[in-house]
Amino acid sequence: QSALTQPPSASGSPGQSVTISCTGTSSDIGGYNYVSWYQQHPGKAPKLMIYEVSKRPSGVPDRFSGSKSGNTASLTVSGLQAEDEADYYCSSYAGSNNLGFGGGTKLTVL
Amino acid sequence: EVQLVESGGGLVKPGGSLRLSCAASGFTFTNAWMSWVRQAPGKGLEWVGRIKNKADGGTADYAAPVKGRFTLSRDDSKNMLSLQMDSLRTEDTAVYYCATGWATMSNWGQGALVTVSS
Repeated sequence: QSALTQPPSASGSPGQSVTISCTGTSSDIGGYNYVSWYQQHPGKAPKLMIYEVSKRPSGVPDRFSGSKSGNTASLTVSGLQAEDEADYYCSSYAGSNNLGFGGGTKLTVL
Repeated sequence: EVQLVESGGGLVKPGGSLRLSCAASGFTFTNAWMSWVRQAPGKGLEWVGRIKNKADGGTADYAAPVKGRFTLSRDDSKNMLSLQMDSLRTEDTAVYYCATGWATMSNWGQGALVTVSS
């Protein structure tokens, strides 16, 4: 059982926006600003898309944005493109030298 | 360019041992905290463990399912990260990735498949 809860699937049409949620507790997401989001295409390694809740690594399009409210973090993908179709995972520091991942969300571009 | 290349994966019987290595290049390995993350077939990502750099103590921490069975180590002279896996169980079957960082894993290797089966 994953430490963080994500919806198993999400979808949107090209050009639309979609938001993926990641729900934890006050012991992880709610207690720290160490939430990251990773994109994984089939058969490939994960790729960092967002770190420390809302920061974007160099090279990640600004169509990707992150936020947090209480115990829930969110990843928003604006202007959906075909190449955004992938699995997305959130992670959060959980205190006591622990790290948790969400179960993953499969994003489909219709 | 950061490169992480895992090796050492394979088939092992339950109760057996296996050692994974991760060769790092393109960044100052000595300064980096390093992590292992695994992904069972068709499943999500699971944090396995993390080792700090020597300046921060060089200590390792582990996820509950592997604590006491897996050991992380690093050889800064060779830019190498290792994961010693003992008392392997069928549920340890997964692709194992090494990554730079911990709460923020900036770079990932291509993964090494470990299959635990009789």
